[in-house]
Amino acid sequence: DTGVSQDPRHKITKRGQNVTFRCDPISEHNRLYWYRQTLGQGPEFLTYFQNEAQLEKSRLLSDRFSAERPKGSFSTLEIQRTEQGDSAMYLCASTRDSTEAFFGQGTRLTVV
Amino acid sequence: AQSVTQLDSHVSVSEGTPVLLRCNYSSSYSPSLFWYVQHPNKGLQLLLKYTSAATLVKGINGFEAEFKKSETSFHLTKPSAHMSDAAEYFCVVSLRPRGGADGLTFGKGTHLIIQP
Repeated sequence: DTGVSQDPRHKITKRGQNVTFRCDPISEHNRLYWYRQTLGQGPEFLTYFQNEAQLEKSRLLSDRFSAERPKGSFSTLEIQRTEQGDSAMYLCASTRDSTEAFFGQGTRLTVV
Repeated sequence: AQSVTQLDSHVSVSEGTPVLLRCNYSSSYSPSLFWYVQHPNKGLQLLLKYTSAATLVKGINGFEAEFKKSETSFHLTKPSAHMSDAAEYFCVVSLRPRGGADGLTFGKGTHLIIQP
């Protein structure tokens, strides 16, 4: 499979714990995006990278969230001190030069 | 500012009958518009996109959508529903000229149910 892959697919964590998700984009894609989707809603933009540079962050991305793309390839999204409101599907997408976005299957986070 | 409203949270049709999923948008500028489909346990997939070329856009799996500026609508249609069409559908607007994923605003989704 040469699409966007995300790991893990599911994560259950206790409130207050830190979690980290990984996204591997399509190999020739230079842009990588993170979205969050809560139950019954459409995805909402969080942040995006062009190569290793983080170019934009949504106001939804609180100080407890941090994203990196250290070598311009895979990306990680870390949530510190998780809260129940962080429970959602976290989606990653990639594009080449801002054209059609290809989405991964997502990581479903449940905070208990 | 831009926004998109999907007028129905659920639509149920019988297999073989037409599908209509309604979407209205709001945008200060000429938008790019998209429809995405999300099947359970699968990633979002682009069905079709409008980027200021022909107003009637054909997509994959027999779907098409018509951009109507006067009505600010971008409804999704299919002449004959198939069981495999059952999924969540999202109408999406972007101000980026080529629809870059940094500028996507999603609707809340329409759950399409296909009755046998």
